[in-house]
Parts: sequence; structure tokens; C-alpha cells
Amino acid sequence: GAGVSQSPSNKVTEKGKDVELRCDPISGHTALYWYRQSLGQGLEFLIYFQGNSAPDKSGLPSDRFSAERTGGSVSTLTIQRTQQEDSAVYLCASEILAGTDTQYFGPGTRLTVL
Amino acid sequence: GENVEQHPSTLSVQEGDSAVIKCTYSDSASNYFPWYKQELGKRPQLIIDIRSNVGEKKDQRIAVTLNKTAKHFSLHITETQPEDSAVYFCAAREGNEKLTFGTGTRLTIIP
Repeated sequence: GAGVSQSPSNKVTEKGKDVELRCDPISGHTALYWYRQSLGQGLEFLIYFQGNSAPDKSGLPSDRFSAERTGGSVSTLTIQRTQQEDSAVYLCASEILAGTDTQYFGPGTRLTVL
Repeated sequence: GENVEQHPSTLSVQEGDSAVIKCTYSDSASNYFPWYKQELGKRPQLIIDIRSNVGEKKDQRIAVTLNKTAKHFSLHITETQPEDSAVYFCAAREGNEKLTFGTGTRLTIIP
């Protein structure tokens, strides 16, 4: 079946603009994560949605970052007033049932803030 | 919360030799330990995982060992090949808590 998809694949924006990144998880997966990966660096956890529970937002780096997950499926990560240090690849991952299965990653969105 | 440390950050081995990457975790309640491989420009993918009721798991040339007492687990790759060159991430979690990743190891196989 279809894997995790993300859009856009690339996004170039000007400093100060807002951006929205989209993640479509695998159908039926109850858990969804957002990560940020700067060039040559590790996976920086941003936010974790698990079913109907309140999301774990402990990784969001500032109040410019927010995320929603509508209907337990599609998720949108919003970055307001983008800064150059926000430039990175943003990865989304989903799991069929948190704690019991593989985490499948999407291809990522490469964000460049000029 | 869980904290996972991973060593070394970079590792170069001759083709055909073995590679070992080590991780330690802080939360003794963690019970699931996966390893992900990320090739250049690609997304991370699961290569092997182990649960706390097992001490070792093998899949062809890769194996993972877990020492719950010491709270560490390791990835072993034998007979390394050029296609093993990648960044490897370990991770740990307890139950439905979020997966916590290590900082990654860049493995280079020297032909």
C-alpha cells in the first residue's frame, strides 16, 4: 500500500513568511511524529500525536512552531515568521499503534529560508 | 524522560570487517529498541529491533544485543559491504511513550 507522503517536497521561502508542511500518514496508523533534521545532523523530535490523546509538544523549539492532526489522519506543521535557522528537512513518521510496530518515515520536506 | 546516547559518532571499517555501534539509555522501563538506517538523501528505515524480553536478535549479517542490567544495546554488522555505508540511529521507548533517538553514527565502509 501507499507509504507516508509529505508535501511539498521542497519549499523555499523568505525570512519572516509563514509556511505549512503537510503529512499524510499510512491509513490506519494511530501515531504520527514530526522530526527536524539539519544537514548532516540527527533526528530532532518536534511533536508526537497518539490517537485521541493530547499531543506531546515537548520538542517544539519555539512558539512559532505548531502542528495539528485533523480527524486522526493528515497532519500540518506550521512555522510562523520563518528564520534562516529553520532551514532543514522536516520528516514525518507514522506507526500503526504506538509502542508495538515500526515507525515509517515520509520522504521529508526540505525547507530553505532565504 | 528517556535519554539515549550513541557512540561512536563516526566509524570507518574495511570492507569485510565487522562494525559495532553502541547505545545506552536512561529509563529502565524502556522495553523496545529499534535501529534505523539512513542512506544519503533518503529517509530512515528500520533494519532490526529488539524487545526487552530478548537478549539478542539476528537477521543475516546484522544483530542486536541488549543488556538490560547495564541499560545498553548494540548493533553488530558482520562482513561489511559498501552498501552498509549510511547513518545508523538507535532508539528506545517504553510502551506508548514517544520513541527517543540517539544522535546517529556515520558508518563508512572502505573498499
